[in-house]
Amino acid sequence: AQSVSQHNHHVILSEAASLELGCNYSYGGTVNLFWYVQYPGQHLQLLLKYFSGDPLVKGIKGFEAEFIKSKFSFNLRKPSVQWSDTAEYFCAVNAPGAGSYQLTFGKGTKLSVIP
Amino acid sequence: DAEITQSPRHKITETGRQVTLACHQTWNHNNMFWYRQDLGHGLRLIHYSYGVQDTNKGEVSDGYSVSRSNTEDLPLTLESAASSQTSVYFCASSGDRSEKLFFGSGTQLSVL
Repeated sequence: AQSVSQHNHHVILSEAASLELGCNYSYGGTVNLFWYVQYPGQHLQLLLKYFSGDPLVKGIKGFEAEFIKSKFSFNLRKPSVQWSDTAEYFCAVNAPGAGSYQLTFGKGTKLSVIP
Repeated sequence: DAEITQSPRHKITETGRQVTLACHQTWNHNNMFWYRQDLGHGLRLIHYSYGVQDTNKGEVSDGYSVSRSNTEDLPLTLESAASSQTSVYFCASSGDRSEKLFFGSGTQLSVL
């Protein structure tokens, strides 16, 4: 079964600072990788996803993530954060090639952006 | 527009009572999932279904059950509610290509 670890529990940044949130997964086969965001009081929304092809994927709101297969990593980045990016971010993985459509989530990273 | 709805939004119950949380989706998705979200644990999978009459246990299935009698609904039942089941519950669905999950707005359950 796959598992996901997120390195940071809580990140605090000032506006305009750069962001990188770490995510590592463990699964030997082909995976789909996702980042979801949960704004305060809301449900999870998809930020970006990687299935195949270009390992650098771009998502909504200026976010991007890079899949590094050799490191089993899928880190999320944003060059300049805004106060509105304050939210909790979840990395997730599934393995549809193995008939596994359910997502396994990391424990989440809470991002607080200070104006 | 297609959507996924959960009810109730908030529920307070007593220890030992049976509770059922509803989840209804109009995406015509085969795959449906129940997660619970707890501080420090992220989202953990409770049960999931890949189609009518199909149900499977997830990571934290003890004390929960589901049934799938049609494509649209996957109700989650707590057989005998415990305080440890106080949590926020999210239902989600996805198509067979599993491109992404669509989440409901969640149910806040408090077991006193």
